[in-house]
Amino acid sequence: EVQLVESGGGLVQPGRSLRLSCTASGFTFGDYAMSWVRQAPGKGLEWVGFIRSKAYGGTTEYAASVKGRFTISRDDSKSIAYLQMNSLKTEDTAVYYCTRVRYCTNGVCYYYYMDVWGKGTTVTVSS
Amino acid sequence: DIQMTQSPSSLSASVGDRVTITCQASQDISNYLNWYQQKPGKAPKLLIYDASNLETGVPSRFSGSGSGTDFTFTISSLQPEDIATYYCQQYDNLPALTFGGGTKVEIK
Repeated sequence: EVQLVESGGGLVQPGRSLRLSCTASGFTFGDYAMSWVRQAPGKGLEWVGFIRSKAYGGTTEYAASVKGRFTISRDDSKSIAYLQMNSLKTEDTAVYYCTRVRYCTNGVCYYYYMDVWGKGTTVTVSS
Repeated sequence: DIQMTQSPSSLSASVGDRVTITCQASQDISNYLNWYQQKPGKAPKLLIYDASNLETGVPSRFSGSGSGTDFTFTISSLQPEDIATYYCQQYDNLPALTFGGGTKVEIK
C-alpha cells in the first residue's frame, strides 16, 4: 500500500525551530518529487514547497512566505522527506501535509500532480 | 503570483443534483489545473488533473473542463459521500503554485 506518514509536529515557541519527517512506503521513493502543503486552522490549502527527485537534480523550491526559513531535504536510502522549519512565527501554525508529486518538466512534458497525501501533523507556534 | 478565484465558496444541494464549481485564474494557465477533494478532518485527495483527466479510481460522476482562465468542476449526481471542500490548484508558473479558496459542498 502506498503510504506517507508525517511526524514531528508539536507545540513550539515563536522564533524556535522544528523538523518534520515524512516516511514513505509502498513505492520507489527516489523516483518522485515530494512536497509539503499546510492548512491553518479553518483555512484553505497553502503550498509550502517541494524537492525534486535526484533525476531532476534534487533541487528545491519554496513559497515566498517560507523562503529563507524553511528547508526541504530528502534521504532516499531511508525513504524520508524532511521539512526543517526555523524562525517559526505564529502564522506558521497549521496542519502540515506531505505529498508525493508526479512531476515532469523536461521540454517534452510538463505536469505537477500531488497524488498521494499523508494524514498530516499539527504544528502550533505559540508562547 | 497567479490568483485562483473559486465560486461559490459554499453550496447546498440535494442528493442526485448536478453540482458545478468554477475556478478562474488571474491569467492564462493553459490546462495546468488540478482539483482536490478534502473531506472533513481528512487529507486532500487528487480527483482531476490537467483540467479534465480523472485520476485512477475516482468515480465517473466527477468531471472537469476548461482551459485558459476559466475552469469548471462538476459532480453529475451528488452523493452523500461527496460532502467535502473542493479546491482547484494551478501549476502554470512553478514554483509559485497556488490553490483556490475552496468550495464547501453540503447536502440540503
